[in-house]
Order: sequence, then structure tokens, then C-alpha cells
Amino acid sequence: SQQGEEDPQALSIQEGENATMNCSYKTSINNLQWYRQNSGRGLVHLILIRSNEREKHSGRLRVTLDTSKKSSSLLITASRAADTASYFCATDTGGGADGLTFGKGTHLIIQP
Amino acid sequence: DAGVIQSPRHEVTEMGQEVTLRCKPISGHDYLFWYRQTMMRGLELLIYFNNNVPIDDSGMPEDRFSAKMPNASFSTLKIQPSEPRDSAVYFCASSSSGTGEETQYFGPGTRLLVL
Repeated sequence: SQQGEEDPQALSIQEGENATMNCSYKTSINNLQWYRQNSGRGLVHLILIRSNEREKHSGRLRVTLDTSKKSSSLLITASRAADTASYFCATDTGGGADGLTFGKGTHLIIQP
Repeated sequence: DAGVIQSPRHEVTEMGQEVTLRCKPISGHDYLFWYRQTMMRGLELLIYFNNNVPIDDSGMPEDRFSAKMPNASFSTLKIQPSEPRDSAVYFCASSSSGTGEETQYFGPGTRLLVL
């Protein structure tokens, strides 16, 4: 079963707007990661937030984590056409480099 | 570094045939993962190795699937016999425990179609 569930499943916004995607999970985690997948490509790691962190920034990305609600959000500010992709949250429930459990993703479309 | 390399990139085969997917992880990485992606089930972890040893194969769908890692630079995922429901994109990923980072680096995937 999927550990992470992204919301919404699809999101379409205008270039320059901010995009927010949410992820909920079910069990305790060691860390939560966000990945991007362009059509027909492999996944690319974006950002990792540990269970003892509440917020993290990387460039135009901002990730929050609320372990009490078992949820995370990914904010992309000032969106660009090149941000069009599917975004997945992935949870790591163990120590070390265990396999990740992925959600089904949010498909983001940035309209020029 | 060339990143994670997978071959073939595309495979079309007929039901009942044996399929072998190949992966070369990033040099120095000690973890290797095999995932399968379908529209219906999303991304699923099939199996992962640490230092060439299989650690968790609970995601392998059935006995028709097998995976090996004979050395640190090569892994195979074999399906024998293949069935149409095996059609999916298969990803290999690798990571390093030495850096303390749990980031996984994905290959481009093998798109498998079983007719």
C-alpha cells in the first residue's frame, strides 16, 4: 500500500504563480523526500526533510513537515514552464538507506 | 559521473519470454534499489541490495521475478516467464550510506511492454 498520498492529483497554474502540493503519510518516518519526474524520465531528488525538522528551503522550493499530522507540503514559488512535471513525496521509515515508499504523485502543469 | 545506467531503455517482448533488465549503479554507492512504476499502482519498491546482498525482497511480486547483484557495479532483474501485466517502467536507483544522506539517484528506466 502507498505510504504517501499526494494532493492534489493534478494542478494547473499560470507561470509566475506559486504551486503547493501536499503529502500525507500513515506511519512514523525517519525522513521525507520530494522527487520530480519529467515525462519519460527517471526521478530526480529535490529536497529531504528529517523528522525533527519543520521547514526547509532550497532555491524556489520550500518544504514543511508536520509529524503530528503526518503531512508535508512542497511549495514552488514563481513557477516556470520548466517546472511542469510530476512530483512525488517519498517516506523513509527506517534508519539508513532503506527503500522509499512513494505516493502516486501530483502532476503539475505550468501554463505560459 | 555518468549516473545510474540502465539497459535496455525499451523492451518489447511476447508473453512467456524471459526478460533481463540491467543496471549499473553510481560508482561507490553501496545501496541499489529496483522499482516498478505503473499508472495503477504508482512506484513500488521491488527489492534492494546493500553491499551486493539482497536486504528486502518483499516487494517482488512473485517467483517469476528474480534479482541478482554479482558485484558492486552490476545488477540484473529477470522476469521468467513474462506476462502482459508485467508491462511497466522499471527503475534502478542507488545511494550511498557513507555520506549520511539518504538521497536515491534514479536511472532513466526501462520501459517494458509484454504483448
